[in-house]
This record gives sequence, C-alpha cells and structure tokens, in this order.
Amino acid sequence: DAKTTQPPSMDCAEGRAANLPCNHSTISGNEYVYWYRQIHSQGPQYIIHGLKNNETNEMASLIITEDRKSSTLILPHATLRDTAVYYCIVRVIDNYGQNFVFGPGTRLSVLP
Amino acid sequence: NAGVTQTPKFQVLKTGQSMTLQCAQDMNHEYMSWYRQDPGMGLRLIHYSVGAGITDQGEVPNGYNVSRSTTEDFPLRLLSAAPSQTSVYFCASYSPGTGIVLHFGNGTRLTVT
Repeated sequence: DAKTTQPPSMDCAEGRAANLPCNHSTISGNEYVYWYRQIHSQGPQYIIHGLKNNETNEMASLIITEDRKSSTLILPHATLRDTAVYYCIVRVIDNYGQNFVFGPGTRLSVLP
Repeated sequence: NAGVTQTPKFQVLKTGQSMTLQCAQDMNHEYMSWYRQDPGMGLRLIHYSVGAGITDQGEVPNGYNVSRSTTEDFPLRLLSAAPSQTSVYFCASYSPGTGIVLHFGNGTRLTVT
C-alpha cells in the first residue's frame, strides 16, 4: 500500500473551515483514500473515503487532486469537538482489513 | 448494537504476569484485529483474524498470543508481561462486503510495572 505524509499538527479557529492535507504520491490506481480521526484516547472513527472523485458526507468533504497524488480533508465549520488526531490512509478495498496502516497523523487543535 | 466491546478499560500488571484482553463484536464481522498505540504514535497491528479458526501475525506480534474460536470473540493474551508492553490496546472489526469501515473498541490502557 502507498505511504502517506501528513503535517504533524495544525490549528484552526472555531467556526472556520479546517483543511487537512495528505500527500500520497505513490498511490496506485485501485487504492482508495480513507480518513479516520481519533478523539482523545478513544478508538479511531471513520470519516470518509474516496477513489478519484470528490466526496462529501455529513461529517466532511474529501478533495482528491486530478493526479491523485494528494488530497485534502475539509471540516467546513470546525467545532471544539473536532479537536483530534486525523489519519489519512491509502489502501485497496478488499475483503480483509489488515492493510489499514495508521501513521502518526495530524493533530488538529480547534481554538475558541 | 454494542459494536466492538473491550474489557477491561484499565489494567496494571507486574512484570512477568500474564493476562487476557477481551474483545467481542456483535456485527457478525469476519475480520478482527488487535492494535497497540504508544504515546504520540500511530497504531501498530499486532495480530489479526479473517475468520473463526484463522489467525495471523501483524507488524508487532512478539509477546502476544491470539485465538479465534468464535466469530464474535478475539482475545489477546500477554504471555509474560514486560514494561515495553505498556500501551493502549485497540480491538477492531471490519465490515464485510462493502470493505469500507474498520470499527474500533474504546481501548484497554495497560501499564506494566
């Protein structure tokens, strides 16, 4: 599976959009981009995933560049409860889950 | 639906003691796994199972043992606890078919003195 690179930390003002970048320059054609987050010491929580089209759900939007070498997770109106570590993962969708590789992620601090 | 349930939430062991971390899921997921998370780091895969009776090693399997006698349960055994095993342990299960979401429990915080 392709490796990902994320900034170690970011700040965002409450109510503003939080844009979290992820580089995945070696991504293969059949690998999806996933985002998870981990609030405090809880188990990671699924946010969104996509292949090449931009995706949106009730939690966030995922923007993938045309060459698929990078992506951005957007939290449109960040709240204090969005303070968490955000993980970008690139993997093939298959029947098994052992190729979820969680790196150190980006620690997002939403400031009042 | 309880999802993925881990017990205990906290545990303190002395070096050399053994114990079992419990994990149960009620979503009929075939795939289950154990991760450990050390301070400031991502999650590392210890062991995983793709179905009852089938287990395999992940990235950091040494010092841990698993078995999968039922679809629902996937216990993790520490054979002889060491201070290096002080960590937060997460159990996860994977939704079949859609192959999208890894569901996590809320973790067990283990301290080995």
